[in-house]
Amino acid sequence: EVQLVESGGGLVQPGGSLRLSCAASGFTFSSYWMSWVRQTPGKGLEWVANIKQDGSETFYVDSVEGRFTISRDNAKSSVYLQMNSLRADDTAVYYCVRDTRGMADLDYWGQGTLVTVSS
Amino acid sequence: QSALTQPRSVSGSRGQSVTIFCTGTSSDVGSYKYVSWYRQHPGKAPKLMIYDVSERPSGVPDRFSGSKSGNTASLTISGLQADDEADYYCCSFAGIYTFRVFGGGTKLTVL
Repeated sequence: EVQLVESGGGLVQPGGSLRLSCAASGFTFSSYWMSWVRQTPGKGLEWVANIKQDGSETFYVDSVEGRFTISRDNAKSSVYLQMNSLRADDTAVYYCVRDTRGMADLDYWGQGTLVTVSS
Repeated sequence: QSALTQPRSVSGSRGQSVTIFCTGTSSDVGSYKYVSWYRQHPGKAPKLMIYDVSERPSGVPDRFSGSKSGNTASLTISGLQADDEADYYCCSFAGIYTFRVFGGGTKLTVL
């Protein structure tokens, strides 16, 4: 059974940093792209970033480019999202998602971790 | 404002059919086959229902179908059931610079 378990969310002040982690199991992690998708409370979904199987390619939504960094450790079946210079509008539930082909469907989602940026 | 446009809400009676439309542009929906649909129940993570415009993942009933015409994709749910009441989101690849865009979501109410 595919499982994605996020951790690392919490309350952080504007301008601060946070690192999200996602532990994957139940599939060959190194064979898949991985994505982070966020959802503002009560609002819609926004794709944030993704990373190729070997980590050689990464893509970001414009609003986080230069502030967020996605990375992975295939030996630990884990993907990470380093978030710097956080702003209030980064407040959201962040989902770790298996990304089937890098540009196509997102077939398995974690339960999400809440990031709140507030003073 | 979301990149893809969906109606805020739709409704249908149990047993009937409903279609949710997702309008994009020639830079996303109109140019790629990578349109997917997700269902989200309150407090839960989204679940993939349709991928590549019209393909159903294993385990998704054939009551769910997808299609695309020009810049507009659609999700049709037939034989509505109570459990279909949820939020539905469309998503499309939009090229290597924008990459991936979602619709704003549609709340489906089953009467």
